[in-house]
Amino acid sequence: GAGVSQTPSNKVTEKGKYVELRCDPISGHTALYWYRQSLGQGPEFLIYFQGTGAADDSGLPNDRFFAVRPEGSVSTLKIQRTERGDSAVYLCASSLNQGRGSFPTDTQYFGPGTRLTVL
Amino acid sequence: QQQVKQSPQSLIVQKGGISIINCAYENTAFDYFPWYQQFPGKGPALLIAIRPDVSEKKEGRFTISFNKSAKQFSLHIMDSQPGDSATYFCAASMVGTYKYIFGTGTRLKVLA
Repeated sequence: GAGVSQTPSNKVTEKGKYVELRCDPISGHTALYWYRQSLGQGPEFLIYFQGTGAADDSGLPNDRFFAVRPEGSVSTLKIQRTERGDSAVYLCASSLNQGRGSFPTDTQYFGPGTRLTVL
Repeated sequence: QQQVKQSPQSLIVQKGGISIINCAYENTAFDYFPWYQQFPGKGPALLIAIRPDVSEKKEGRFTISFNKSAKQFSLHIMDSQPGDSATYFCAASMVGTYKYIFGTGTRLKVLA
């Protein structure tokens, strides 16, 4: 079936604006993750959902960042009062189960990312 | 202790050669070590993964070597091809968690 999809692929906004980034996981995957990848760096964990609930949001950098997954499928990452330092590629991943590293059920499959540029 | 250190930052290899990328960690609670391959404009894709109870895992041209005592692991790409040109990330996952700690990446270029 289809892989993880993310929209938009690119988002340019002005400092101080609000943005929403959408992730559509692989059908049937219960676990969903958001990561942020800055230029020349590896992905950095932001938040993990198991079903509808955020099981771990310890990676969110501050209270301007918030994510939801109301029906246990699509997730939206929301960033308020954007800052230039928020510019990065935001990656979403999903796995069949809890992503504990048991291949293949817990393999994290990544989407292509949303490139956010804050001017 | 949460870091995974990856080297080299970039690597150029001739077609048919062996590409070697190294990673090191400090936290002995890490128990799962995947390698991801990322092409420009794409998300990372799982290449191969290993647990610390084995010292080596091979899948096709890709091999992970794991040295538990040294807390190091490496990716070997045999018979490297131009199509292997990409950025490679090692990662680690800790017991009881699900988030991956990624290395900083290695940009591999295989010359035709």
